[in-house]
Amino acid sequence: SQTIHQWPATLVQPVGSPLSLECTVEGTSNPNLYWYRQAAGRGLQLLFYSVGIGQISSEVPQNLSASRPQDRQFILSSKKLLLSDSGFYLCAFTGNGNQPQHFGDGTRLSIL
Amino acid sequence: SQQGEEDPQALSIQEGENATMNCSYKTSINNLQWYRQNSGRGLVHLILIRSNEREKHSGRLRVTLDTSKKSSSLLITASRAADTASYFCATQGSGNTGKLIFGQGTTLQVKP
Repeated sequence: SQTIHQWPATLVQPVGSPLSLECTVEGTSNPNLYWYRQAAGRGLQLLFYSVGIGQISSEVPQNLSASRPQDRQFILSSKKLLLSDSGFYLCAFTGNGNQPQHFGDGTRLSIL
Repeated sequence: SQQGEEDPQALSIQEGENATMNCSYKTSINNLQWYRQNSGRGLVHLILIRSNEREKHSGRLRVTLDTSKKSSSLLITASRAADTASYFCATQGSGNTGKLIFGQGTTLQVKP
């Protein structure tokens, strides 16, 4: 079966520190991968998506970057975190571009 | 950018009552999807309705789509306390990226 793993579940980081959030998918090949951010009480904002290894599309200019070093691995990074980077980050995948997305359990990121 | 507008933002009902949530969008779509999110968790896909469909059922869920009005509704019949969650609509356009544009969501509270 297809599964998605996202970690850590919660993270508290100081301003200016680096960030690395990891997401891995099992049970499918060449998935489309997505990173979203969700502000409290709000909908999801698409940050990055990838349709293949090394292929990253950015939806909004920001302090973050994404990479896809392996087919089923998607990483969200920052060199220096800002207070505004706080939020709930969700990774998702779909096996086919026109199918529903499957979401990880999210990472709650707090910047101090 | 957020395409969907959901109405109402919050809804509180008694167990056994029906809950209706509405979603409007702005651009042409390939399909529209509804997701559920329990507090602090990832999203779970509920139902997908294609642009050439007008109504779809899944258990106690009924979704309608009116492409001329660019709107959709989600009806949950005979609600249960376990239905308490946030509900989001999301639109998917043409192409194979599978990108979703989410609405702001409706927070549903079902009182036992």
